[in-house]
Amino acid sequence: QKEVEQNSGPLSVPEGAIASLNCTYSDRGSQSFFWYRQYSGKSPELIMFIYSNGDKEDGRFTAQLNKASQYVSLLIRDSQPSDSATYLCAVIGTSYGKLTFGQGTILTVHP
Amino acid sequence: DVKVTQSSRYLVKRTGEKVFLECVQDMDHENMFWYRQDPGLGLRLIYFSYDVKMKEKGDIPEGYSVSREKKERFSLILESASTNQTSMYLCASSSSLNQPQHFGDGTRLSIL
Repeated sequence: QKEVEQNSGPLSVPEGAIASLNCTYSDRGSQSFFWYRQYSGKSPELIMFIYSNGDKEDGRFTAQLNKASQYVSLLIRDSQPSDSATYLCAVIGTSYGKLTFGQGTILTVHP
Repeated sequence: DVKVTQSSRYLVKRTGEKVFLECVQDMDHENMFWYRQDPGLGLRLIYFSYDVKMKEKGDIPEGYSVSREKKERFSLILESASTNQTSMYLCASSSSLNQPQHFGDGTRLSIL
């Protein structure tokens, strides 16, 4: 089992729809969870982080964490073509400071 | 905003050369990291440092070394470059080990 797994995608949604990106992790002791966006040829850009169970909202983005199910998700409301990118889920587990990335989900928002 | 600056966006070197990749951060962060990113393999940690002159191996340290003589600067060294080290190299920093990491723009390194 991979340490951090994301829905493989690619995911295609129409402009204005909600995009839902999912991630599961294997280390039950993980405490810190991050979502990065990466445009083609660019470096990862932090868009959300979450430490506690529940929802965290920032503008059009909502991160959801369920530690019991070892599941973290990212919702993008009112998706825009500029949201088209690869989204990386990353988790810091019990190996302190080691950030493990998922393989990424490619999101395409079409007009 | 956090600024992580990598010295080169693109670099071409020959096999056997010693290659230096430099990274500087301006936020007084304790921790700095070097990753490489390859298609199908994702981001993999090479080395990290949690203090000046301290270093820890990541998942793929073979063929690499690092240097951190000053808090703001973290260098990755390819002792004798090989073609399988052609990759995108990403530097990151964070204020503490459970805080978000912020990435530089990356260096696309080609070894011929």
